[in-house]
Amino acid sequence: DAGVTQSPTHLIKTRGQHVTLRCSPISGHKSVSWYQQVLGQGPQFIFQYYEKEERGRGNFPDRFSARQFPNYSSELNVNALLLGDSALYLCASSLVPGRISAFFGQGTRLTVV
Amino acid sequence: AQTVTQSQPEMSVQEAETVTLSCTYDTSENNYYLFWYKQPPSRQMILVIRQEAYKQQNATENRFSVNFQKAAKSFSLKISDSQLGDTAMYFCAFNRGGSNYKLTFGKGTLLTVNP
Repeated sequence: DAGVTQSPTHLIKTRGQHVTLRCSPISGHKSVSWYQQVLGQGPQFIFQYYEKEERGRGNFPDRFSARQFPNYSSELNVNALLLGDSALYLCASSLVPGRISAFFGQGTRLTVV
Repeated sequence: AQTVTQSQPEMSVQEAETVTLSCTYDTSENNYYLFWYKQPPSRQMILVIRQEAYKQQNATENRFSVNFQKAAKSFSLKISDSQLGDTAMYFCAFNRGGSNYKLTFGKGTLLTVNP
């Protein structure tokens, strides 16, 4: 079975541009979460979606948005990119929110220049 | 808000020896979940071990085991018979359970296993 897949793996954008990152969860998993990992730090929670509804949001500006599709895949959108948005963006899927462990994808490395 | 602290930015160990990584956390919750994740240079975050706070027995997974001290809010990871492939960043993470699956991570410990 395929694990969590994210695309693209690497991305370079210019300040002010928009970016869309994509995530496909493990088959059967209905919950997807997004994390931002700045170099040298632990991941920071951005969003959680379950059954296509937002169930949690971290301390990120409104430039960050996400959605989940009927097939449970998810997109993370970031508008008006800043240099500080450069990071590894990780997607995690779990069967349901709560007690079940989350499994991560390999991440998308975003560089804003 | 929950916080997770990993006080050892870097550690090293000789191959085949045992090493312990420290983690403390702060929460007012009584039931929650604790995790150790491994992140090798490939970047993918890999689940190593999980502990439910309501279980008194420490979790073990092959060469990996934890020492969970609920009263002290301490959750250390012991790696026995260290292997070169264990070289990675190790992150301790907290989740309070329920419908919100937010993981709160520490800053990580870089473990290097030397031949």
